[in-house]
Amino acid sequence: GDSVTQMEGPVTLSEEAFLTINCTYTATGYPSLFWYVQYPGEGLQLLLKATKADDKGSNKGFEATYRKETTSFHLEKGSVQVSDSAVYFCALSKGFGNEKLTFGTGTRLTIIP
Amino acid sequence: DTEVTQTPKHLVMGMTNKKSLKCEQHMGHRAMYWYKQKAKKPPELMFVYSYEKLSINESVPSRFSPECPNSSLLNLHLHALQPEDSALYLCASSQEDFSYNEQFFGPGTRLTVL
Repeated sequence: GDSVTQMEGPVTLSEEAFLTINCTYTATGYPSLFWYVQYPGEGLQLLLKATKADDKGSNKGFEATYRKETTSFHLEKGSVQVSDSAVYFCALSKGFGNEKLTFGTGTRLTIIP
Repeated sequence: DTEVTQTPKHLVMGMTNKKSLKCEQHMGHRAMYWYKQKAKKPPELMFVYSYEKLSINESVPSRFSPECPNSSLLNLHLHALQPEDSALYLCASSQEDFSYNEQFFGPGTRLTVL
């Protein structure tokens, strides 16, 4: 079946450091890929998405490129802030409408001042 | 309005109680979802409603009973729960006719079963 593998956490970085959170997937066909962020005590927010190979999703300084050849969708940010501390989930979806999201295990990110 | 709202924010109930969780969206989305999230885990899909009809039930115990009264509302009725059902319950919605199923999540209801 479909699956998403994320970099194990937790990840701790200093403010203004460069961030990479690795995500690879296994799926047949042409899935859409997502990064969701969950701040403490809150629900999930869609951070960015990519729907086809070579698409780059970007939002709030975060970027991820859909690489079909390496089945990857790594999340990057050039300079992290304390406010970026959260849990990040990589996810994929295969179909139209109500197909379920397949999530990775999540990566907890802590940014220290 | 681009948000999904959930009530209550917190709920504590005994194993013999009956309670309900409520979810509402006004984005015109025709697919709505219930997820369960345990601490330090990703969300697990429970139910999917598509055009107000139950389309996916991920083998959830019958003590959880979903209901979709109309296209904007989704309820989850709870009865005779167990302590292991304590979790964050998340509602989400998406446009049925989108090809990539972008789901919008609510803030969740944190449920504690005593």
